[in-house]
Amino acid sequence: DTGVSQDPRHKITKRGQNVTFRCDPISEHNRLYWYRQTLGQGPEFLTYFQNEAQLEKSRLLSDRFSAERPKGSFSTLEIQRTEQGDSAMYLCASSQTRDTDTQYFGPGTRLTVL
Amino acid sequence: DAKTTQPPSMDCAEGRAANLPCNHSTISGNEYVYWYRQIHSQGPQYIIHGLKNNETNEMASLIITEDRKSSTLILPHATLRDTAVYYCIVRVASHGGSQGNLIFGKGTKLSVKP
Repeated sequence: DTGVSQDPRHKITKRGQNVTFRCDPISEHNRLYWYRQTLGQGPEFLTYFQNEAQLEKSRLLSDRFSAERPKGSFSTLEIQRTEQGDSAMYLCASSQTRDTDTQYFGPGTRLTVL
Repeated sequence: DAKTTQPPSMDCAEGRAANLPCNHSTISGNEYVYWYRQIHSQGPQYIIHGLKNNETNEMASLIITEDRKSSTLILPHATLRDTAVYYCIVRVASHGGSQGNLIFGKGTKLSVKP
């Protein structure tokens, strides 16, 4: 069973550009989560999906951020008009609610906004 | 805010047991204790979780006090590769799903020294 995968692993962009990240969860995991982690801090929750429904969004998820999971499998996180403060590691995790809902994380996408 | 308190850092000699404490004095009866670790620049890795009984798997043991207000993660024979930040998290978990997000604190930075 392959783990959670994320693409790209690193992204460097200029301020004002749009970026999109992809997450592929563990097969048959019905929940998918996005977190953000800045240097020296623990991961902070952004949003999560159960199947294709987005069930919760953090106040951290400004209107420049949008996440989708159109077919209940992979998910994308888009950041529009990036700002230097968006520089962080973006982590994806997945879980299966039939089990104890343990979340398994991917390797993350490190975003640097110049 | 995180519902757990952990020491910011600990050292351990290679080959010795590493005992990482966590206080969760406000834990509710339906909340599990989860442990994750994060090696530098990687995504968090699930280690173990428990409700009230002690748990052991191939990675670690989890000892939960009888009043459930604190717990200890034990790595029985620490290696240099166990150097990481260890996060203790309390969370409702049950078959059929639970609250979505994990709330991370700053964790304990464990340094295993030769």
